Amino acid sequence: DTAVSQTPKYLVTQMGNDKSIKCEQNLGHDTMYWYKQDSKKFLKIMFSYNNKELIINETVPNRFSPKSPDKAHLNLHINSLELGDSAVYFCASSQGGRVANTGELFFGEGSRLTVL
Amino acid sequence: GQQVMQIPQYQHVQEGEDFTTYCNSSTTLSNIQWYKQRPGGHPVFLIQLVKSGEVKKQKRLTFQFGEAKKNSSLHITATQTTDVGTYFCADGNFGNEKLTFGTGTRLTIIP
Repeated sequence: DTAVSQTPKYLVTQMGNDKSIKCEQNLGHDTMYWYKQDSKKFLKIMFSYNNKELIINETVPNRFSPKSPDKAHLNLHINSLELGDSAVYFCASSQGGRVANTGELFFGEGSRLTVL
Repeated sequence: GQQVMQIPQYQHVQEGEDFTTYCNSSTTLSNIQWYKQRPGGHPVFLIQLVKSGEVKKQKRLTFQFGEAKKNSSLHITATQTTDVGTYFCADGNFGNEKLTFGTGTRLTIIP
């Protein structure tokens, strides 16, 4: 039973299109994240949600819109895709909350987005 | 902004040799976490260090946190092919709910 699952695993699309990636965690964690990993393997945080509330937005273009319908789900919608959006997007969750240490992160398997 | 640099960026070693990656921060770290990412996989948590000067071991892996809490290291003794992957340190910031990942060290093993 996968702890953090994200779909789809692979996404190939044309520039200008809109796409979504979904993430679900069954660990009962309060905090969920989206990270972007580029071709050089740098892992950069994009967003963080705690109990459905956005707490971190790392100056990501507003073409990226996260949505958390409940604390177990965090989806990522991307409008008007650009070539530079090609990357692997990782969803993650942790037990850490607003006043506690950022706990161990549990990552999903990643969604590889290729924009042509 | 805060940066967490890792060196080296790449390391190729013969199987059986030792390997060390270093993590350096421009600011004092609240705590440090280490992750391993196998090729094609996702980052997997290895350990967290919190105290100044802390040393923890996991079998052939030794993790250290600097006295000033501005650096950390991961040392692998007698590498095996299963150690292949990218090793990341990450700064867990108390009260900030985000993990800032280091630049990573990619380890390849020559059998």
